[in-house]
Amino acid sequence: GQNIDQPTEMTATEGAIVQINCTYQTSGFNGLFWYQQHAGEAPTFLSYNVLDGLEEKGRFSSFLSRSKGYSYLLLKELQMKDSASYLCAVRDDYKLSFGAGTTVTVRA
Amino acid sequence: GAVVSQHPSWVICKSGTSVKIECRSLDFQATTMFWYRQFPKQSLMLMATSNEGSKATYEQGVEKDKFLINHASLTLSTLTVTSAHPEDSSFYICSASGTGTGNYEQYFGPGTRLTVT
Repeated sequence: GQNIDQPTEMTATEGAIVQINCTYQTSGFNGLFWYQQHAGEAPTFLSYNVLDGLEEKGRFSSFLSRSKGYSYLLLKELQMKDSASYLCAVRDDYKLSFGAGTTVTVRA
Repeated sequence: GAVVSQHPSWVICKSGTSVKIECRSLDFQATTMFWYRQFPKQSLMLMATSNEGSKATYEQGVEKDKFLINHASLTLSTLTVTSAHPEDSSFYICSASGTGTGNYEQYFGPGTRLTVT
């Protein structure tokens, strides 16, 4: 089976940095995705890692360590609009398995 | 590019009736479409995977006779919830991937909120 863990909630101040961790134990691995989801909306793609290391994309960065089954999403210069749920998803062959999501609340 | 639409965005139906949800890829050919269900404050759970022109593959525990999936063309897949009951009330989201999408990424539709009364 697939086991993907991430914290339930995180709170941070506007302008700060937040790191959302994700650990996974899956039967296969063909890449890890991070998605942002606002309440009542569909997920939007943030990042994709298939090799170890850091991928930087503007204010968002994502890191992967396949040997440790670990990834994190780093959100820098937090803005109020970043308040959302962040989903870690592991692809096994062609299917995505999602973690339960981390709700990030940005406070002024 | 890589836009996926869903229709309707929300629907209310009576218990025992059937509801059809459409998922369309607007600017690419979706060789594979996925249907997810999301209950409040929970993550997305894959219901089934459909490839154009073939029968859908359902995840364990999902009733294929209740959730009918058709993927008749490279741009359209439909999910029909038959004999809907209140426990089927949920947020249904489709996603699509195709040869034109990078890293076989899935692009998600905006979702359909189903309420069964």
